Amino acid sequence: SQQGEEDPQALSIQEGENATMNCSYKTSINNLQWYRQNSGRGLVHLILIRSNEREKHSGRLRVTLDTSKKSSSLLITASRAADTASYFCATDRRGGGADGLTFGKGTHLIIQP
Amino acid sequence: EADIYQTPRYLVIGTGKKITLECSQTMGHDKMYWYQQDPGMELHLIHYSYGVNSTEKGDLSSESTVSRIRTEHFPLTLESARPSHTSQYLCASSDLGAGNTIYFGEGSWLTVV
Repeated sequence: SQQGEEDPQALSIQEGENATMNCSYKTSINNLQWYRQNSGRGLVHLILIRSNEREKHSGRLRVTLDTSKKSSSLLITASRAADTASYFCATDRRGGGADGLTFGKGTHLIIQP
Repeated sequence: EADIYQTPRYLVIGTGKKITLECSQTMGHDKMYWYQQDPGMELHLIHYSYGVNSTEKGDLSSESTVSRIRTEHFPLTLESARPSHTSQYLCASSDLGAGNTIYFGEGSWLTVV
């Protein structure tokens, strides 16, 4: 079964507004990562937050992690048309194994100009 | 910018043909992966490798095969393509160890007619 589940599945907002996406997972993790995928392209790593961290910032991105609720959120502030993409959370497989990341279904974000 | 390259980017072939999707990375990463992704859907890990002469099957059963003769090269082969193999195939790599950032190629879009 899927380790990470993003919510909402799709989100459409006006340029300049903030966009918030959520991710829930099922098993213990070492860290959680967020990736972006433009249509028809590969995934690009955005940010990694470790299990002992609660919040992390990178430019206009803010990620939170609540291990007690097994959830994370990605906030994009002052959104731009170029932020239109799908956003995926990813967790370690088997809570720390070296087999790769397990991805959710993604949130499709559309920024209306 | 990730130094991982996939060819071809787009391929349309007939049923029964043998195809090889190429993937090369110049980052010296030991771990490499193949993910399969249908449009708008999640990624599924189909193969991974810890290094030369190492290949493992991922979560999603796949009729494809892989080889790892050189560190930088991880080709994926379908001996007899079928319409059900139509999908996007994403190659990726990372350093060894749990939870490392995974770097993706741009993907290969395969259509079997």
